[in-house]
Amino acid sequence: EDKVVQSPLSLVVHEGDTVTLNCSYEVTNFRSLLWYKQEKKAPTFLFMLTSSGIEKKSGRLSSILDKKELFSILNITATQSGDSAIYLCAVNGGATNKLIFGTGTLLAVQP
Amino acid sequence: GAVVSQHPSWVICKSGTSVKIECRSLDFQATTMFWYRQFPKQSLMLMATSNEGSKATYEQGVEKDKFLINHASLTLSTLTVTSAHPEDSSFYICSASSGLYNEQFFGPGTRLTVL
Repeated sequence: EDKVVQSPLSLVVHEGDTVTLNCSYEVTNFRSLLWYKQEKKAPTFLFMLTSSGIEKKSGRLSSILDKKELFSILNITATQSGDSAIYLCAVNGGATNKLIFGTGTLLAVQP
Repeated sequence: GAVVSQHPSWVICKSGTSVKIECRSLDFQATTMFWYRQFPKQSLMLMATSNEGSKATYEQGVEKDKFLINHASLTLSTLTVTSAHPEDSSFYICSASSGLYNEQFFGPGTRLTVL
């Protein structure tokens, strides 16, 4: 059965800290791994990763994929209160173009 | 960037009534649209996948007669919750994709409350 596992489930840090969120997966016919940020409404897209070892970066956020070990990490440096959200990892795989979501990591950034 | 809208953004209805939720891709043609449901403090659960002009493919455990999906055009898909009950109260989110292996863009979601 295809599955995506995220860790930790929740995390509390102080502003300025650096955090690393983890996502491991077991999916047949892997195509891509995506990271989303969800605040009060629907998820907003952060990154899509298809190749191993190539870091994608956007401001203070970066992500990398390891297709051999079947995991990805999302790094956030110099965290701010606006980074508080649920971070969702999803894998596009299986027989059809559908996303399999992990349970998410709830990040709380305190002043 | 690609924009997906949903309407309504929230709805409150009485038990036994039907509710229709619309999902539109505003600036691209969506060959495939997806419907998700999210309960509080849980992740997104895929309900069904719809391709324009064909019947939707439902995930295991999702009643197709209760959750009617129509994808009549390349920019519009609708989800109708028939005979809604309080346990159907949830956050319903659609996403749209322009191709089989292309990324999905999410709508803002619809919060359904059934009294």
